[in-house]
Amino acid sequence: SAVISQKPSRDICQRGTSLTIQCQVDSQVTMMFWYRQQPGQSLTLIATANQGSEATYESGFVIDKFPISRPNLTFSTLTVSNMSPEDSSIYLCSVTAGGTSTDTQYFGPGTRLTVL
Amino acid sequence: AQTVTQSQPEMSVQEAETVTLSCTYDTSESDYYLFWYKQPPSRQMILVIRQEAYKQQNATENRFSVNFQKAAKSFSLKISDSQLGDAAMYFCAYRGGGGGADGLTFGKGTHLIIQP
Repeated sequence: SAVISQKPSRDICQRGTSLTIQCQVDSQVTMMFWYRQQPGQSLTLIATANQGSEATYESGFVIDKFPISRPNLTFSTLTVSNMSPEDSSIYLCSVTAGGTSTDTQYFGPGTRLTVL
Repeated sequence: AQTVTQSQPEMSVQEAETVTLSCTYDTSESDYYLFWYKQPPSRQMILVIRQEAYKQQNATENRFSVNFQKAAKSFSLKISDSQLGDAAMYFCAYRGGGGGADGLTFGKGTHLIIQP
């Protein structure tokens, strides 16, 4: 498995501002994923981030709203831009572990975002 | 697109008894992976068990086992000897067989209550 940390763990933000969420992994991984979990809902994939290339976004998510950086094999950031109350969610980072567990995704602890 | 359906929003079981959570999925792929994740109130996503579609044998992990019916596209989770620590949201998830680049598609989740 992989040990994944996220910063911040939670934040309260004002409408119209932006927040950058950091995801750090304790080992090098090829793919990193960002998910959103709206209140009382399931997880929805926002985008997939491969080091050295542009992130791939799922339907309904756009780069202008959720820009992603992936500067190296252990780190990624997700920015939630021009926030509105509808962006209040838990944002989770996940990675695919290497070796014999290449097909299992492990998750960070999540960032709870509240937009006022 | 793949879909995952969990038809039980909430389940309740007495401590030490057995409970089964249901999950069905829809896919046109022949190679894929299925997962059950647990999310306690701490919101950390914890992998419970995984199943490779090409394996006929049902996966087991201690008190957790699955009933994988590929033809019926069914993937239920059985928890034996339920414990208070099992109380959580349980999510069924699907991942295609296209290597490590695919994200997960989640069901809506089942809230499991353990009665002492």
